This record gives sequence, C-alpha cells and structure tokens, in this order.
Amino acid sequence: SQKIEQNSEALNIQEGKTATLTCNYTNYSPAYLQWYRQDPGRGPVFLLLIRENEKEKRKERLKVTFDTTLKQSLFHITASQPADSATYLCALGDTVRGSTLGRLYFGRGTQLTVWP
Amino acid sequence: SQTIHQWPATLVQPVGSPLSLECTVEGTSNPNLYWYRQAAGRGLQLLFYSVGIGQISSEVPQNLSASRPQDRQFILSSKKLLLSDSGFYLCAWRHRDRNQPQHFGDGTRLSIL
Repeated sequence: SQKIEQNSEALNIQEGKTATLTCNYTNYSPAYLQWYRQDPGRGPVFLLLIRENEKEKRKERLKVTFDTTLKQSLFHITASQPADSATYLCALGDTVRGSTLGRLYFGRGTQLTVWP
Repeated sequence: SQTIHQWPATLVQPVGSPLSLECTVEGTSNPNLYWYRQAAGRGLQLLFYSVGIGQISSEVPQNLSASRPQDRQFILSSKKLLLSDSGFYLCAWRHRDRNQPQHFGDGTRLSIL
C-alpha cells in the first residue's frame, strides 16, 4: 500500500526565514499532489496543487516542487510570519490518469511554528 | 460562492449508541463528496466518497456507513458506536473536473464514552 511521510511532526523557525516542509511517498504514482493548511479544530484549507508534469508552482510566498523520480514534494514558505503557524498537510491524488474520483491520501502533517 | 456545512460541531455519545452526522453543500451542483476521519496524531483517512446520489464507495472496512439522499447532502451513520470510532470527522466536496482541490467543512469532534 502507499506510504506518505512528512519530514517531521514539528518545525520551528524564526520570523522572516524560509520554512521548507518535505513530503515523501512510496508505492504510489499520483497524477497530482496538493498541500493544505489546517488550524486547530478546523478543516484543512487548500493551498496549492501541482501536477505530475509540473516541476514547480508558486503562489505569493508559497512554492511547491514535485519530483516524481525522487517521489518527493517540497513546500516552501518564504518570509515566514507568525500567522503562518499551523499544520501543513501533503495529499496525493488518484493514480488513474484522467480520473474524476478525486480521492486524496494524506500525510500526517507537519506542525509549523514561526516565532517572532 | 460555495459553502459546506457540517453539524454538530461536537458530539459525545455512549458506546453502542447510533450516529448520524450530516454535511450539506451550497452553491454548486453534482459535487463529489467525501468523508474523512482524523484520529489524534494521525493523518486524514478517507472513509467514503460519492460521485452522485445513491452512489457510495467505501475505502476502508469499518463500523460506519454513508448515504447521499440528495445531490448536496452526505450523511455518515453508525448503528452501534465503538470506542474506536472517536475522532474528528470531516466532510469535503470537490468539482467533478479533474485535478481539482477539495474543500472541507469544519468537522465534527466525536467522543465515545
């Protein structure tokens, strides 16, 4: 079965630095990968989606990369702020290309804390 | 704009009691719908998904069932709750097009006593 690992359970960085979160997976070939943010007691909120034929995606201070050879995605938050503190979830999409089922398989998440 | 509602927000139930959690989506039609469970210290686990009224697929064997009586209504049920059913239950919807993100409700915190 597929296995999804996010590099660490917790990451603490200083405000203004770049946070880098890692998502590795095995026994899987997703057509796309997504990153979500989850605050305590709330549902996840979508941040970025990257397809298997894309190397990099950016949105404001966020950047995600997708290396299907290494089976790894990196998620970067530049110029981090205390408001970025949350749990970040990596999710792999369906393996069937062209599928509209939209199933997602999530990692356990990395809890990011940005301190002033 | 589209919105998703889940209720109740919290629920405390005794072992062996029945369960019904409801999720409704507004502002879209023919969405794909999903139920997830998030146990403490674990990632979101996909429980059920539905691509249309009355169409339910289960991802994992379990004590729960799901139903979709209307296009934008998704219900999670159990006839007899187990202690292991405790967790944070999340409903999500997605446009049927390929490679679309999912949009989550704010979940139900279920505690079994």
